[in-house]
Amino acid sequence: NAGVTQTPKFQVLKTGQSMTLQCAQDMNHNSMYWYRQDPGMGLRLIYYSASEGTTDKGEVPNGYNVSRLNKREFSLRLESAAPSQTSVYFCASSSVSATDTQYFGPGTRLTVL
Amino acid sequence: GQQVMQIPQYQHVQEGEDFTTYCNSSTTLSNIQWYKQRPGGHPVFLIQLVKSGEVKKQKRLTFQFGEAKKNSSLHITATQTTDVGTYFCAGGGGATNKLIFGTGTLLAVQP
Repeated sequence: NAGVTQTPKFQVLKTGQSMTLQCAQDMNHNSMYWYRQDPGMGLRLIYYSASEGTTDKGEVPNGYNVSRLNKREFSLRLESAAPSQTSVYFCASSSVSATDTQYFGPGTRLTVL
Repeated sequence: GQQVMQIPQYQHVQEGEDFTTYCNSSTTLSNIQWYKQRPGGHPVFLIQLVKSGEVKKQKRLTFQFGEAKKNSSLHITATQTTDVGTYFCAGGGGATNKLIFGTGTLLAVQP
């Protein structure tokens, strides 16, 4: 059981470049989430997916898009990266509801120059 | 919108001293969860409290959920260097039915 996996672990982009962060879980969870973590700001929800085929905006969705490819995979895309998107990105999953225990991946450390 | 505030933001203690972090929600919660994030790591679930006034213990850690279900605390007795990290509370329920994370408390423990 790998739990929640994320790729890549580290990434450096130039302003305007695009990239997709990948996330997969093997716990048969229905719900998946993308958070960003910035110093002093805690974890802020970008997007979430309550089930396969559905996605919803969180607190800070601007500049991001998501795809729930299947029950296992939930990707986050930056279409045109900006320095303000420099952050650590965590994917998480939970069994059913957003208020269930969440299991986090190891994170992607993204720097946008 | 719903907010979860945590204090202090940072605490530095000598090994063996006690430590407490407090969590306050702007709305009544259905549950409160606590997570720990080691430096360079990812948040890991510690515990969930559901009932009003609930108290749970895990070895040297004591978790409380307020009577009004709007606040919570985590107390660590006799800190050890292994306790270093950021402790997050996360409030569940309310209007959004999402888990809202607090800003976290970074604990530093000096040997």
